[in-house]
Amino acid sequence: SQQGEEDPQALSIQEGENATMNCSYKTSINNLQWYRQNSGRGLVHLILIRSNEREKHSGRLRVTLDTSKKSSSLLITASRAADTASYFCATDLIQGAQKLVFGQGTRLTINP
Amino acid sequence: AAGVIQSPRHLIKEKRETATLKCYPIPRHDTVYWYQQGPGQDPQFLISFYEKMQSDKGSIPDRFSAQQFSDYHSELNMSSLELGDSALYFCASSSDTHTDTQYFGPGTRLTVL
Repeated sequence: SQQGEEDPQALSIQEGENATMNCSYKTSINNLQWYRQNSGRGLVHLILIRSNEREKHSGRLRVTLDTSKKSSSLLITASRAADTASYFCATDLIQGAQKLVFGQGTRLTINP
Repeated sequence: AAGVIQSPRHLIKEKRETATLKCYPIPRHDTVYWYQQGPGQDPQFLISFYEKMQSDKGSIPDRFSAQQFSDYHSELNMSSLELGDSALYFCASSSDTHTDTQYFGPGTRLTVL
């Protein structure tokens, strides 16, 4: 992706542990969204954080946004086997575009 | 709650054939987006429509065209299909172009043989 870079590309942890994924972007944004995708399936919206927000929670998910560093992180606490999926960040750019620009994704594997 | 509907879910075509993908947005959503996701890749924006007018264009080949109809559903028409067009095609909808979430459909898996 030209806009987003995700880190790490793959992450494997034990069930119950926390998983942290990072996303960096290049240009100013309106908001940043995180999506989950099970293998070859649809994209499920997880959380949206606006450019004037710094942190947001939803259940076991915690998202932070640092616009000065142009980065975001997604933390999944108390991971479960069902959390195994690819996670993408996507940015909604300020400059007139309505499209989402996706990062390359992090492939998360939760080992039972 | 109603979600974005895409049809067909799977489509197999030969090279040089045409394909039409359909998308029905969430009720009262006026903006539709199309994305293409190749194998092992992140989704790439193709085109979007707001109130039946094209609002943004991404890396959509000239062989592809799309439109949004009066009932807000959208169709992506793909002609002279190539092997490289094999991908997952997602449609998403939103009710506000810049401040709201884009909700994705389940996708259409297109295989070009």
